[in-house]
Amino acid sequence: ELKVEQNPLFLSMQEGKNYTIYCNYSTTSDRLYWYRQDPGKSLESLFVLLSNGAVKQEGRLMASLDTKARLSTLHITAAVHDLSATYFCAATKYNNNDMRFGAGTRLTVKP
Amino acid sequence: GAVVSQHPSRVICKSGTSVKIECRSLDFQATTMFWYRQFPKQSLMLMATSNEGSKATYEQGVEKDKFLINHASLTLSTLTVTSAHPEDSSFYICSARQGQGANQPQHFGDGTRLSIL
Repeated sequence: ELKVEQNPLFLSMQEGKNYTIYCNYSTTSDRLYWYRQDPGKSLESLFVLLSNGAVKQEGRLMASLDTKARLSTLHITAAVHDLSATYFCAATKYNNNDMRFGAGTRLTVKP
Repeated sequence: GAVVSQHPSRVICKSGTSVKIECRSLDFQATTMFWYRQFPKQSLMLMATSNEGSKATYEQGVEKDKFLINHASLTLSTLTVTSAHPEDSSFYICSARQGQGANQPQHFGDGTRLSIL
């Protein structure tokens, strides 16, 4: 069974600082997703990573995938308050329907 | 493109009531739709996979008689919470997969917050 573990679960950081969220998954996965969720809202898609070594960047967020280590990272550069949200990683197994989510990382960026 | 509409966004009702939630893909056909449940401050848990024209596949521990899923067309899936009780209060999110292949992305609805009094 595909399991996804995410850490840290809670992250409080100051504006301007850098930090990384980690996402490990248990079995071979064909793709890795990162989502953002604001309180009371649904999911906003951030990145889809398809292959080993994939790196994608959007603004202050950069995601990478290492399929050999079964690890994806979401790196935050020079955090700003607007990035405060819960971030989820999720993985799907090739040819399977379902998507398994990590527990989420609740990020709070303080001024 | 790839918009998924979920309705209603919020439901408050008495215990014992049945509640229907709709999930529509507005600008694409979705052979497969997914239903998730999210309790406060927790992650999303897949409840069931809904395939157009066939019976839904439920995850272990999800009562199929409690959570009725109908996927009668390529753009609409419904989740009915039958005889809802306070423990069914949760945030329910649907997603729809665009296209036929398992490698197609899922697009999420805005969610339905269900509160059972």
